[in-house]
Amino acid sequence: KAGVTQTPRYLIKTRGQQVTLSCSPISGHRSVSWYQQTPGQGLQFLFEYFSETQRNKGNFPGRFSGRQFSNSRSEMNVSTLELGDSALYLCASSPGPGQPQHFGDGTRLSIL
Amino acid sequence: AQSVTQPDIHITVSEGASLELRCNYSYGATPYLFWYVQSPGQGLQLLLKYFSGDTLVQGIKGFEAEFKRSQSSFNLRKPSVHWSDAAEYFCAVSLADTGNQFYFGTGTSLTVIP
Repeated sequence: KAGVTQTPRYLIKTRGQQVTLSCSPISGHRSVSWYQQTPGQGLQFLFEYFSETQRNKGNFPGRFSGRQFSNSRSEMNVSTLELGDSALYLCASSPGPGQPQHFGDGTRLSIL
Repeated sequence: AQSVTQPDIHITVSEGASLELRCNYSYGATPYLFWYVQSPGQGLQLLLKYFSGDTLVQGIKGFEAEFKRSQSSFNLRKPSVHWSDAAEYFCAVSLADTGNQFYFGTGTSLTVIP
């Protein structure tokens, strides 16, 4: 069974631009969660989608948004990029509530 | 406030020595409990999980963890550490009433000395 796939692995953008990150979950997993990981803040929860609906949301500004498609694939969008958005963005999928989350290798986003 | 605490930011052990990484949580009910490991530049890999039943759970790579309800703890242990165990370790909890939202500790970085 293929794992969680995140694309691209690396991305370099400049301030003010926007970016879209993609996540393909493990087949059969309907829950997809996104996290931001930085050395200073650790792992911070962004949002979780289940069956195309955002079910939980972390404490991030509206510049961070996401969506989930009918095949459970998910995208995350960040608009008006700031230097502080430089981070490793991790996607995790799960069959459902209470089940372990399985992580992709992440997208490393660098803002210049 | 609800939280997951990993008191040790960094731990150094000698290869072959035993290891215990601490994790405490503060939630009203018994949550689902997990330990993950992250190598540099990689995502998180699930080591083990506790849902219910036997409070001592076995995981991959020779790791085990013990759930102690009275202490709200879920400490990770390994009898003999290998150099390849050097990584970042995260404790996480999930609550039944919050869907699939996970709460992670701040992580413990493990260095293994040859």
